[in-house]
Amino acid sequence: DVKVTQSSRYLVKRTGEKVFLECVQDMDHENMFWYRQDPGLGLRLIYFSYDVKMKEKGDIPEGYSVSREKKERFSLILESASTNQTSMYLCASSLHEWEKLKFETQYFGPGTRLLVL
Amino acid sequence: AQKVTQAQTEISVVEKEDVTLDCVYETRDTTYYLFWYKQPPSGELVFLIRRNSFDEQNEISGRYSWNFQKSTSSFNFTITASQVVDSAVYFCALGQAGTALIFGKGTTLSVSS
Repeated sequence: DVKVTQSSRYLVKRTGEKVFLECVQDMDHENMFWYRQDPGLGLRLIYFSYDVKMKEKGDIPEGYSVSREKKERFSLILESASTNQTSMYLCASSLHEWEKLKFETQYFGPGTRLLVL
Repeated sequence: AQKVTQAQTEISVVEKEDVTLDCVYETRDTTYYLFWYKQPPSGELVFLIRRNSFDEQNEISGRYSWNFQKSTSSFNFTITASQVVDSAVYFCALGQAGTALIFGKGTTLSVSS
């Protein structure tokens, strides 16, 4: 079974704080993703990574950065948290699509509900 | 443009009723993948099923069944004899090579006893 874990289920931070959200997967997946989920807006991709030290911007990267120093770990960083970053953050991982036209299944972690005051 | 539409925002049923969640997708590509995920109140997105565009066979897994029809660009999900534990938000999603996974807005299913 694929296991994706996230460091915290709930987090409360102050405006301006630097926030680290950690994600670890144990299935040797190449691809890792960070999404945020908001009512009425659904899931939106923030960043993804297809290899160690590689990163690509998703649909809403502003205000975020990421780090992937090891294959199994993908961190989302809020450089200076703001109240509009209060949200549910979901991490996912998948195998790399080695075959052209293929799309691998993404497996998600339990999510981190972040509240920025 | 690619798009996934889940027209039903919320559905409420009583236990043992059958319920169908609709999913309509848009894509110009001939090769694509469709997914259903379940998100219970705990928050985790649980993968339920994956279908590729070349496999229109319907799938049944216990009380769950999926009806994929390319002619109507639909990938509907039916729960037979619903149970309270089926209460969750269900997401349909579209995946294609070179693009991000595209989610519908989700359907909230409430099953009461």
